[in-house]
Amino acid sequence: DAGVTQSPTHLIKTRGQHVTLRCSPISGHKSVSWYQQVLGQGPQFIFQYYEKEERGRGNFPDRFSARQFPNYSSELNVNALLLGDSALYLCASSLGGRRGQYGYTFGSGTRLTVV
Amino acid sequence: DQQVKQNSPSLSVQEGRISILNCDYTNSMFDYFLWYKKYPAEGPTFLISISSIKDKNEDGRFTVFLNKSAKHLSLHIVPSQPGDSAVYFCAARSSGGSNYKLTFGKGTLLTVNP
Repeated sequence: DAGVTQSPTHLIKTRGQHVTLRCSPISGHKSVSWYQQVLGQGPQFIFQYYEKEERGRGNFPDRFSARQFPNYSSELNVNALLLGDSALYLCASSLGGRRGQYGYTFGSGTRLTVV
Repeated sequence: DQQVKQNSPSLSVQEGRISILNCDYTNSMFDYFLWYKKYPAEGPTFLISISSIKDKNEDGRFTVFLNKSAKHLSLHIVPSQPGDSAVYFCAARSSGGSNYKLTFGKGTLLTVNP
């Protein structure tokens, strides 16, 4: 079984540009969460989606947006990139559901560098 | 405001000895705690977890202890092996309605020396 797949693995963008990161969850998992990990810090929660609906949003500006598709894959979009957006972006998938699901499985991440 | 704290940025132990990684939290609403292990260029890998209604959970060489009154948990690895060398993240789950987000500590770099 494939794990959580993220694309691309690495990306270099210029300040002010826009970026789209993609995530495919584990087959059967209906919830996708996005996290940002800056060097030397732990991952920080950005968004959670379940059944195509946003279920939670972390403390990130409106430049960050996401969506989930009918096949449960997800995209994270960041507009007007800043140098401080340089980070490892992690996608986590879980079964989700009303009582939540303890097993969050992370992908290997997309390393975004803004220059 | 850091709700999950790992105060030791690094820890070095000898192969075969015990590794103890510590984590403190401030939010009483956390209901589930998890430990993740992370190698460079990989995503975090789930290691072990514990519900807030338990005080201990064991899985092979890994044991997690939870002291709710002290808002403290620890991960014990016995015996430590060189392959355990990685960054270990403590994470806590909070349930706000239907949102189940994880709050992570900054991580502890464990080095196990042969």
